Parts: sequence; C-alpha cells; structure tokens
Amino acid sequence: KNEVEQSPQNLTAQEGEFITINCSYSVGISALHWLQQHPGGGIVSLFMLSSGKKKHGRLIATINIQEKHSSLHITASHPRDSAVYICAVRGEYGNKLVFGAGTILRVKS
Amino acid sequence: KAGVTQTPRYLIKTRGQQVTLSCSPISGHRSVSWYQQTPGQGLQFLFEYFSETQRNKGNFPGRFSGRQFSNSRSEMNVSTLELGDSALYLCASTLGLQETQYFGPGTRLLVL
Repeated sequence: KNEVEQSPQNLTAQEGEFITINCSYSVGISALHWLQQHPGGGIVSLFMLSSGKKKHGRLIATINIQEKHSSLHITASHPRDSAVYICAVRGEYGNKLVFGAGTILRVKS
Repeated sequence: KAGVTQTPRYLIKTRGQQVTLSCSPISGHRSVSWYQQTPGQGLQFLFEYFSETQRNKGNFPGRFSGRQFSNSRSEMNVSTLELGDSALYLCASTLGLQETQYFGPGTRLLVL
C-alpha cells in the first residue's frame, strides 16, 4: 500500500462545477502539500498545510490530522484549472516529500 | 526575484554515459531537493541538501549522486546511464527547512 493515496485518478468536470480531490496518507507527517503540474512539467506549490484549512482564490485545502486525510476543493472550476494535482506529505524531519500518484483534472467549457 | 533555474532543460544521452544536471535555487534559499518523475513511478525523492550537507537520500542506487556548493547551487550526477533513467528531473528550493518548496522547470533526460 502506498504511503500517499489520491482519489480520483482522473476527473472530468464541466466549467463552473465544484471539484473535490482527496488525499489519504498512512505515516506521521509535519506538513502536507498540494501541488499543481501543467503539461510541460512545471510544478507550482498551491498549499502547505499542517492543520485546519487554507483558502487562496477559488482553491480551498483542508486537512484532518487525526483521520490522516486532506481535500483540495476548486470552486467555480474553469478550463484553465485543467492540470495534474498532486498531494505530497513531508515527514517530521527535513524536506523529503512523498508523493501521491496525482489526479488528472480536465475542465470542459 | 528570479525563480529556480535548471540546466540543461533537455538532454539526450546513450546507455553507459554519465550526466550532470545543475540547479540554481532562488537567491537566499539554502535548501535544495531533487526529484525524479517518470510515467511509471511518478514523483520520487532523490536527495535533499541544506548548507552543503546531504540531509536525506531516497531509495536510488549509488549511480545517483549529488552535491551542493557554498552558494547553494546544486548538481546531481548519474553515472553509467540506463534506459530506465529517462525521466524529468526536478529540483526545488526552500529558504530553510520545513517550508514551501519552489520547483524549477526540470531537466528532461532521454537515454537511448
């Protein structure tokens, strides 16, 4: 079993829909990251969470440390949100990240 | 402030050769981490350096090595290249430890 599991693997949505991507992990962590990767490879860090909830524009990330679970929500989705969204957890020491397999999101207009 | 830069961006090598990839972190950042991304294995951690010291190493063979210089720039080297080393190699920098990572554009390596 992978240390970080993401669901769904693929997601197709209509423009304007509310989107949720889930991440579960099985190890102790100091933080959880949500990353976005567009075609071509560039990765952007969206959120770094160690507790609670963070919001940036139309993106919301939550984490439940007791349940070892995090969600990334996109409100009013847009075709430009189409990308791979990757959950990654960081252990208690250092900066090593362990990654989920990613969720491929396609938003259709 | 300039972002993380990686050189070269694309590279083609043949089996048995060696390769050196370079990463320049954001000015002032002292930590650099390296990752390998392949379609089959996804993103995997290679190494982490902080102030010229390797702090963590992933589960890769000894053919993969790296170092960090006093100006925080980092290099990774892969010797005796294998077909399976074809991948996107990403580096990321942070100001210190336990902080948000800023990724470079990656070096795409193709081994023939």
